[in-house]
Amino acid sequence: NAGVTQTPKFQVLKTGQSMTLQCAQDMNHEYMSWYRQDPGMGLRLIHYSVGAGITDQGEVPNGYNVSRSTTEDFPLRLLSAAPSQTSVYFCASSASGVNTGELFFGEGSRLTVL
Amino acid sequence: KQEVTQIPAALSVPEGENLVLNCSFTDSAIYNLQWFRQDPGKGLTSLLLIQSSQREQTSGRLNASLDKSSGRSTLYIAASQPGDSATYLCAPEPDRQAGTALIFGKGTTLSVSS
Repeated sequence: NAGVTQTPKFQVLKTGQSMTLQCAQDMNHEYMSWYRQDPGMGLRLIHYSVGAGITDQGEVPNGYNVSRSTTEDFPLRLLSAAPSQTSVYFCASSASGVNTGELFFGEGSRLTVL
Repeated sequence: KQEVTQIPAALSVPEGENLVLNCSFTDSAIYNLQWFRQDPGKGLTSLLLIQSSQREQTSGRLNASLDKSSGRSTLYIAASQPGDSATYLCAPEPDRQAGTALIFGKGTTLSVSS
């Protein structure tokens, strides 16, 4: 029962470096999304996708890119890392392409930008 | 813009107490509402999903109610146990055809002592 798998679990970057957070789900879910969680700020939506080839911006998209070439994968790219992007990142998926239904989360990726 | 408030922010109770966690939201035009649990250092787990046409949903010792017109949902936990200690988050979802997704409250951190 893999569910939603995120890699890496931990990452340290220097300011200006780029990297990709990977997210894969094996439940054939249409909807996938990326959130960041910061103390005192709660969970904030970065980008989401309602199906392969379709992505849209969430509340805090600046500095992040996404693509959805397959149903299973939804990588999140940091183009030029900044200390403000230090956070815990969560990927989530659900079966419905229109409205969410039950949302399944990965275990998170903890990113530190120095 | 949907705003979600959860009260209290933190709660400490002895084992066996019945308790109520509150969630209020500003935009009552929601499709559904989910309650999640998050353990420290972990991802979120969906506990209950209430469709907009429903008034409540039950799972074991958990009961969640929804009053769309007043913008409120409550999570009732019966006979609390130390294993219930976690952060509980609510997330109303607007109709995604409007181009938005789940918005999370900041959560209520529950500590149940034995």
